[in-house]
Amino acid sequence: QKEVEQNSGPLSVPEGAIASLNCTYSDRGSQSFFWYRQYSGKSPELIMSIYSNGDKEDGRFTAQLNKASQYVSLLIRDSQPSDSATYLCATRGGSNYKLTFGKGTLLTVNP
Amino acid sequence: GAVVSQHPSRVICKSGTSVKIECRSLDFQATTMFWYRQFPKQSLMLMATSNEGSKATYEQGVEKDKFLINHASLTLSTLTVTSAHPEDSSFYICSARRTSGTGETQYFGPGTRLLVL
Repeated sequence: QKEVEQNSGPLSVPEGAIASLNCTYSDRGSQSFFWYRQYSGKSPELIMSIYSNGDKEDGRFTAQLNKASQYVSLLIRDSQPSDSATYLCATRGGSNYKLTFGKGTLLTVNP
Repeated sequence: GAVVSQHPSRVICKSGTSVKIECRSLDFQATTMFWYRQFPKQSLMLMATSNEGSKATYEQGVEKDKFLINHASLTLSTLTVTSAHPEDSSFYICSARRTSGTGETQYFGPGTRLLVL
């Protein structure tokens, strides 16, 4: 059974700090990895996608992928109160289009 | 990013009635769309994969006769909750699969909140 594990949190960081969100996955066949942000009562919004080992940076966000360790992370630099949300990690295997989601990590950025 | 819309955003209905939810990809064509359900403080649960021009593929435990899916065009998929009951009250979210040269991504609609009385 394919599983994606995330620490449910809540993760609390002060404004301006770096927030580090982690995710592990069980399916070694996973080829695509995504981070979605979901505000309370809203639908998920794509933040980052990463497909190969290493780091991928986009503004204040950096995704890191290590396929050997089956680990993907999201770093948020200069955290803002508006970053407070649930962050969902998702993986996709190569043979189908379905995403497997983790349960999400609740991030709270304190002013 | 790509735009996916859903309609209605919120619906309240009586037990036993049917409710139709529309999902549209506004700026790209989507041969594949997905329907999810999310209960409060829970993660997204995939209900079914909607394929343009063919039957939907349902996840284990999802009743295909209760949750009717139609994907008649490359930009529209509909989910009909038939004979809705209070336990069907949930947040229903669709997503559309978009492919590009760099890979493929799912973009989510804003969701439909269903309350069955």
